[in-house]
Amino acid sequence: AQSVAQPEDQVNVAEGNPLTVKCTYSVSGNPYLFWYVQYPNRGLQFLLKYITGDNLVKGSYGFEAEFNKSQTSFHLKKPSALVSDSALYFCAVNYGNMLTFGGGTRLMVKP
Amino acid sequence: GAVVSQHPSWVICKSGTSVKIECRSLDFQATTMFWYRQFPKQSLMLMATSNEGSKATYEQGVEKDKFLINHASLTLSTLTVTSAHPEDSSFYICSATQREPYEQYFGPGTRLTVT
Repeated sequence: AQSVAQPEDQVNVAEGNPLTVKCTYSVSGNPYLFWYVQYPNRGLQFLLKYITGDNLVKGSYGFEAEFNKSQTSFHLKKPSALVSDSALYFCAVNYGNMLTFGGGTRLMVKP
Repeated sequence: GAVVSQHPSWVICKSGTSVKIECRSLDFQATTMFWYRQFPKQSLMLMATSNEGSKATYEQGVEKDKFLINHASLTLSTLTVTSAHPEDSSFYICSATQREPYEQYFGPGTRLTVT
């Protein structure tokens, strides 16, 4: 069975600083990995995905993620955080056309 | 493209009544639709998967008779919470797949409050 772990419930960062939201996964075979963002009382918005190809994936709103097969990680990054990036972030793995989500990480960007 | 809508966005109902939530793919035909439930400050839990014209597949622990799912067309799936109780209060989110079965497009969610 596949699983996703987001080890940090919350990440705090100052505006303008780089941010990293961590994600590790466990799945047999090649994973399809996703990052989503959720604002209060809203559904999930797609940020980026890794299916195959380059390990560094660029997505929406300046976010990127690096697929690391040896460490089974798919950390989300952004070079310069904005206050408007404050939200709940979910990492997910798709296996057998079923999405399994991590527990979510709340990102707080302070001015 | 690939927009999914949900209606209503929020609903308050009394205990014992039934509530229907609609999920529509607006600009594509959805081969599969999914229903998730999200408790406050928690992750999404898959409730069921539905394909047009066939019975939904429920995840373990989800009551089929309580959460009725109908997938009448390639653009519409409905979730009916029957005989709702306060513990059914939650945020319900649907998603749909288009051509690529591994890529899900999410609706904006429906906040259900049972009083």
